Amino acid sequence: DADVTQTPRNRITKTGKRIMLECSQTKGHDRMYWYRQDPGLGLRLIYYSFDVKDINKGEISDGYSVSRQAQAKFSLSLESAIPNQTALYFCATSGKGHPEYEQYFGPGTRLTVT
Amino acid sequence: AQKVTQAQTEISVVEKEDVTLDCVYETRDTTYYLFWYKQPPSGELVFLIRRNSFDEQNEISGRYSWNFQKSTSSFNFTITASQVVDSAVYFCALSEVGSYNQGGKLIFGQGTELSVKP
Repeated sequence: DADVTQTPRNRITKTGKRIMLECSQTKGHDRMYWYRQDPGLGLRLIYYSFDVKDINKGEISDGYSVSRQAQAKFSLSLESAIPNQTALYFCATSGKGHPEYEQYFGPGTRLTVT
Repeated sequence: AQKVTQAQTEISVVEKEDVTLDCVYETRDTTYYLFWYKQPPSGELVFLIRRNSFDEQNEISGRYSWNFQKSTSSFNFTITASQVVDSAVYFCALSEVGSYNQGGKLIFGQGTELSVKP
């Protein structure tokens, strides 16, 4: 089984709808991240959480919110989706004190907002 | 501010050619990590290598090699004898270390799309 899973893998939604993307991990890591990928822009950090009670905004947090329900779960919400939030979304995890700060990525969620 | 630049947006080569993907980074940290990831057409991110800022040794793994030069803030990636399966988008990334509450975030370059034609 994959260590980092994301649901759904693909989603099409309409402008104005609320949508939640979920991420779960079995690696026992304390740190979790949400990134968004747009063509030509690479991946950009939306939110990150270093433990259940620590949530921080990333580079592009406007229009997004997150919830860290447990150490293993980190959800990303779009309260009112808009077309320019159409992108590929990745969840990632890393371990506290891991010497190389390597991040492990989920398979991605492709979101289309029409 | 930290920044990663991959100036090559797209590269097209013919199979068996060697190809180098450039990565230039900016950081004020003295301790940092650099990474390369591969994103094949299926979309997942595949980890290729990490390098810490204190280790400037070049690394070779099969047909892949990496050249890290702190003097020019570059971490270039070379594929020798390219194959069609190497076709993908390749990302270079920089990780801050810093304090506990700052370390670990990845800053990605824009990506280089490599197309290897038979």
